[in-house]
Order: sequence, then C-alpha cells, then structure tokens
Amino acid sequence: SQKIEQNSEALNIQEGKTATLTCNYTNYSPAYLQWYRQDPGRGPVFLLLIRENEKEKRKERLKVTFDTTLKQSLFHITASQPADSATYLCALQGGYSTLTFGKGTMLLVSP
Amino acid sequence: DVKVTQSSRYLVKRTGEKVFLECVQDMDHENMFWYRQDPGLGLRLIYFSYDVKMKEKGDIPEGYSVSREKKERFSLILESASTNQTSMYLCASSLIVAGTRGNQPQHFGDGTRLSIL
Repeated sequence: SQKIEQNSEALNIQEGKTATLTCNYTNYSPAYLQWYRQDPGRGPVFLLLIRENEKEKRKERLKVTFDTTLKQSLFHITASQPADSATYLCALQGGYSTLTFGKGTMLLVSP
Repeated sequence: DVKVTQSSRYLVKRTGEKVFLECVQDMDHENMFWYRQDPGLGLRLIYFSYDVKMKEKGDIPEGYSVSREKKERFSLILESASTNQTSMYLCASSLIVAGTRGNQPQHFGDGTRLSIL
C-alpha cells in the first residue's frame, strides 16, 4: 500500500541556519507533491507545489526538490527564523483531486 | 483570499448524539473535503465532494455521512457519536482546473475540536 514517511522527531535548529525536511514515499508514483505548514490549533496552509517533471521549485526562502527516482522530496527553509517554527506536512496526489498527507515534521527554530 | 469557515472551534457532545459539523467556503470551489487529524495518525480523509449532491468515500468513512446541498456548504454528520470520534475535524476546499489532473492546492478551515463524552 502507499506509504509516506516524514521524520517524526522534531527538528531543532538555530536562527539563520537552513532547515531541511524530508518526505519519502513508497508504492507510489505521484504526478505532483505539495508542502503545507500547520501552526498549533490551526488548519494547514499551502506553501508549494512541485510536479513530477520539475526537479526544483523556489518561493522566497523556501525551496523544494522532487526526486522521482529516489521517491523523495526535500523541503528547505534558508535563513530560518523563529516565526518559521511549525509543523510541515508533505502531501502527494491521491485519487481524484485528493491528497494523501504525511504525518508531518515539527520544526523548532531557536533565537 | 479563500476563506473556509467551520461553524465551531470547539464542540462537546455525548455518545449516541447525532452531530453536525458545518463548513462554508467563499471561493466557488468545486471540491470540498472532510478530514480528521489525530496525534500520531496525521490527516485522514473521511469524505469528499466534487459537486453539489455528489459525495465520495475517503479512507475512513465508517460512522460518518456528508451532505452537500449547495456548492459553498459541506456538512459532516456523525450519525451516532462515539468516544473514538473525539478528534480535530478539518474541512478543505479546492478548485477544479481542466487539464491539471486535480493538481490544485487545498484551502483549510481552522478546524473543529470535537469531544465526545
């Protein structure tokens, strides 16, 4: 069956460093992958979408890569700030317009 | 900006009650979704709808039903609430764009934290 894995342990980094979060998947060949941010007590907020024919996508301090051979996406936040602290979810194309979400990785950026 | 509004942030109900969770979106999106989110289990799709009066089961539909009488409104119904339905419920919507293979972001409400006692 389809499986999406994100690091369950929180990632702790210092302000100004680059945070790198990983999303691995198996038994899956998604046409696209999305990343979301979720703050405590709030719904997820869409950040970036990358298609299977795109290797890399950037938006301001965010960068996403998508390696369909390795079945992996990496999500980078450069020059991280305490305000970047949140849980980050990756989501893969499911069936009709649906998404299958990973369980998320918590990022903690300390000043 | 898309706004997805869920009727209650917190709700407490008793076992056996019929519970209605309401969701309204203001951007004329065709797709609407209901998820539940539990610690350690992540977001799981309960039901979705791609048009008025249309509904499709997600991964965990048992014990739930849905209603979509108007395009902007999608209701989740717990027919007879049980304690294992205590959870955070999230509603989302997305646009259908021809030729994109369902390739659109989902916009979420802020959730309803439901406790069944």
